[in-house]
Amino acid sequence: NAGVMQNPRHLVRRRGQEARLRCSPMKGHSHVYWYRQLPEEGLKFMVYLQKENIIDESGMPKERFSAEFPKEGPSILRIQQVVRGDSAAYFCASSPLPRTGEPYEQYFGPGTRLTVT
Amino acid sequence: AQSVSQHNHHVILSEAASLELGCNYSYGGTVNLFWYVQYPGQHLQLLLKYFSGDPLVKGIKGFEAEFIKSKFSFNLRKPSVQWSDTAEYFCAVNSNYQLIWGAGTKLIIKP
Repeated sequence: NAGVMQNPRHLVRRRGQEARLRCSPMKGHSHVYWYRQLPEEGLKFMVYLQKENIIDESGMPKERFSAEFPKEGPSILRIQQVVRGDSAAYFCASSPLPRTGEPYEQYFGPGTRLTVT
Repeated sequence: AQSVSQHNHHVILSEAASLELGCNYSYGGTVNLFWYVQYPGQHLQLLLKYFSGDPLVKGIKGFEAEFIKSKFSFNLRKPSVQWSDTAEYFCAVNSNYQLIWGAGTKLIIKP
């Protein structure tokens, strides 16, 4: 049973370019979460998606960042016109459909390390 | 707002030493608590979790953690560390789908 897959593992972009980060959840999981880890900091929640639906994007920067989880294919985190401050590790997690009263347990991918030069 | 604090950013121990990593959270309601580990070059792995029941939780690789509700703490312990425990350790809490993370503790074990 493959775990959460993320690609690329490393991505280098020049300032002003676009970055696309992909996440394939674990088989059977319909919920995806994106987190960002800045150097020397813990992970910060960005967005929570179900297929074709954004549940909570309260952690997303208001501009340049967007996320989707289409009916078919991986979830995509897109960063337009990247700046140096976007350099970070971006982690994706997935979970199965939560049951009422049960806690969410998330399974993490290896992360994508974005470097903006 | 919920927050998680990990007291030590860097810990260096010798093999066979005992380990305790502190984690405190701020939230008044019911929480679920987690410790994750990230070995060099690898992805985050769940070490252990607390949802309810016995506050002393045993995880993988000989780790355990104790939930002390009155202290809002969930400290991670291991009686005798090994060189292979060198990694970064993260404490996290959630009460819904959002995991709130501590800043992490980098643990280095000297052989």
